[in-house]
Amino acid sequence: DSGVTQTPKHLITATGQRVTLRCSPRSGDLSVYWYQQSLDQGLQFLIQYYNGEERAKGNILERFSAQQFPDLHSELNLSSLELGDSALYFCASSVATWTAGYGYTFGSGTRLTVV
Amino acid sequence: EDKVVQSPLSLVVHEGDTVTLNCSYEVTNFRSLLWYKQEKKAPTFLFMLTSSGIEKKSGRLSSILDKKELFSILNITATQTGDSAVYLCAVSGYGGSQGNLIFGKGTKLSVKP
Repeated sequence: DSGVTQTPKHLITATGQRVTLRCSPRSGDLSVYWYQQSLDQGLQFLIQYYNGEERAKGNILERFSAQQFPDLHSELNLSSLELGDSALYFCASSVATWTAGYGYTFGSGTRLTVV
Repeated sequence: EDKVVQSPLSLVVHEGDTVTLNCSYEVTNFRSLLWYKQEKKAPTFLFMLTSSGIEKKSGRLSSILDKKELFSILNITATQTGDSAVYLCAVSGYGGSQGNLIFGKGTKLSVKP
């Protein structure tokens, strides 16, 4: 157990639907990062939060949004889902944004299947 | 744009072989290069390298960084079936990536008995 908790582990939903993925960072970590991993693209950075504030955005679609709450857990919302959104979604955490260079701790991921 | 390129994309070897995985990178204001191992789900940390020419070792795994030529290698000696995994290389920079880790697509290593 890495200490980063992601729920649910698996999610199957239909095109056009909306889902919410949840992440609880490791105790003491203030930064949360979301990544998407598909077969042909590898791990793609989506968005980063530090202590409730958005700090950086990567290749995140407008249909996707995220937030980090006062208790530091984070949610990634995916709407108007398309078949191509099927992927593994990882959450990772680190103590702070400036410690990211020392590595993250990853959660076990949520596998999203859009049918 | 920051990027990481790993080669080969996949590799099949037999137990006992030695393998070398490659990672080249471009990043604004380099801070560190990291190797992760991904078996079934979550990537797990292997090494972090910041200084050129200093080898990091952990058992049969070792890695070295060349900051002049912008690449790193990960060596695995006397491979075992348990080494089968995707090996990910990532870099962190102080500038454009804002400290986030930029990952390569990975090298899928399959070790056959």
